[in-house]
Amino acid sequence: NAGVTQTPKFQVLKTGQSMTLQCAQDMNHNSMYWYRQDPGMGLRLIYYSASEGTTDKGEVPNGYNVSRLNKREFSLRLESAAPSQTSVYFCASSEQTGPGNTIYFGEGSWLTVV
Amino acid sequence: AQSVTQLGSHVSVSEGALVLLRCNYSSSVPPYLFWYVQYPNQGLQLLLKYTTGATLVKGINGFEAEFKKSETSFHLTKPSAHMSDAAEYFCAVSDGANSKLTFGKGITLSVRP
Repeated sequence: NAGVTQTPKFQVLKTGQSMTLQCAQDMNHNSMYWYRQDPGMGLRLIYYSASEGTTDKGEVPNGYNVSRLNKREFSLRLESAAPSQTSVYFCASSEQTGPGNTIYFGEGSWLTVV
Repeated sequence: AQSVTQLGSHVSVSEGALVLLRCNYSSSVPPYLFWYVQYPNQGLQLLLKYTTGATLVKGINGFEAEFKKSETSFHLTKPSAHMSDAAEYFCAVSDGANSKLTFGKGITLSVRP
C-alpha cells in the first residue's frame, strides 16, 4: 500500500524561486494536511483541507498556498522561496476531521532554500 | 489553545532498561492524545492514541501510555528497550473540533548496547 506519497523528496531552490510540492493519498481519506518540521520545534501545521473543495490556514501559513485538486491530491506551493522556508515538509491525511482520527504521514520532502 | 510539553530533547537508556518519555498537555476540552515515532529520514508513524475509555493504552512495538487527567499527562513507557527503538518520539494533542494535531517538540531516544 502506497499510503501518502510526496514528491519531490529532495529539492534545492534559490531565494525567490517558486515550486510546488505534490501529495497524493490512496486511502480515500477526506482530510489532508501539510506540516513543516524544524529542529527543536516539532511539526507545525501550514494548511489543511477538511474535505475536497475546502482549505484552511494552519499555524504557519505565510509564504505558502495550497490547492486541493481532487479528493486524492493536495499540493503546497511556495511562490517566492525564502531561506526561512528551508525545512522538511510532510503531507498527511485522515479519514475524517474528527478529533480522534488518526493522521497518516508521507515520508517527507527535504527543501533547502539558498 | 492547546499545547504539548515534552521536557528535554534527548533521552539515553541502556538496552533492556525501562523507557520513559514524558508528555504533558494543556487543553480546554477533553483531549485526544497521540504518540508518534519517527525513524531517521522517514515520516511519522502512529504508536498509540487515547480517545476515550480505558486510560492505559497499548500500542505497537511494546509501548504503552497512561492518560492521567489529574496530572494532565500522557507519558510513554516500554519495559525493556531495544536497539531498534532508537528514534524521535512526538506527543500530540487534538482538540474536540477536528483532527488537527498540535505536536510537542519531540524527544530523541538513544539506546546504548
